[in-house]
Amino acid sequence: AQKITQTQPGMFVQEKEAVTLDCTYDTSDQSYGLFWYKQPSSGEMIFLIYQGSYDEQNATEGRYSLNFQKARKSANLVISASQLGDSAMYFCAMREGRGNFNKFYFGSGTKLNVKP
Amino acid sequence: DTEVTQTPKHLVMGMTNKKSLKCEQHMGHRAMYWYKQKAKKPPELMFVYSYEKLSINESVPSRFSPECPNSSLLNLHLHALQPEDSALYLCASSRGGSDPSGREQFFGPGTRLTVL
Repeated sequence: AQKITQTQPGMFVQEKEAVTLDCTYDTSDQSYGLFWYKQPSSGEMIFLIYQGSYDEQNATEGRYSLNFQKARKSANLVISASQLGDSAMYFCAMREGRGNFNKFYFGSGTKLNVKP
Repeated sequence: DTEVTQTPKHLVMGMTNKKSLKCEQHMGHRAMYWYKQKAKKPPELMFVYSYEKLSINESVPSRFSPECPNSSLLNLHLHALQPEDSALYLCASSRGGSDPSGREQFFGPGTRLTVL
């Protein structure tokens, strides 16, 4: 089974509008972390936001917020007031387990295009 | 300093060449990673080092040989590569260990490798 599922290969949004990128995950661990990364065409993976499985509040970082619904195992990224520079590939990722290593699982990504 | 550096940025090599990719971080992170990423695909985990010991090898062919000389450095030695090995190679680091609140995995800018 896929650990991380992103069902939107591509999304369009009008500049200044909000957009939600979907992510669902699969784990039987109680302790895990969820991440969103942005990858522009330059290739660099930029960390955006993190949500821990025990965090009761949804994470927010500036224009980014993570809509964490634990029972539904979803961790959607909300970008408010989209900007042209937000056009990029977005990956959802999960780190599960404790112990001496951390294995990160990535979804297949969503390509976001912001239209002027 | 939240930076992971990688050299070189671009590398072109023949199938008989031997080359090395280098990665460095000074965040005190104890887990370091190599990923391979093909265009429009998510990163694929290759190797994880935890406390300078190889903890995960995702069945990577032996023509890729990782090395972790110390806690700040990670190398990937390349020998007898194939054209299908052409990809973006990303290095990353994270806090590692058994900290369940472990957060970001920081990525370097990557090395774009072309095998002729």
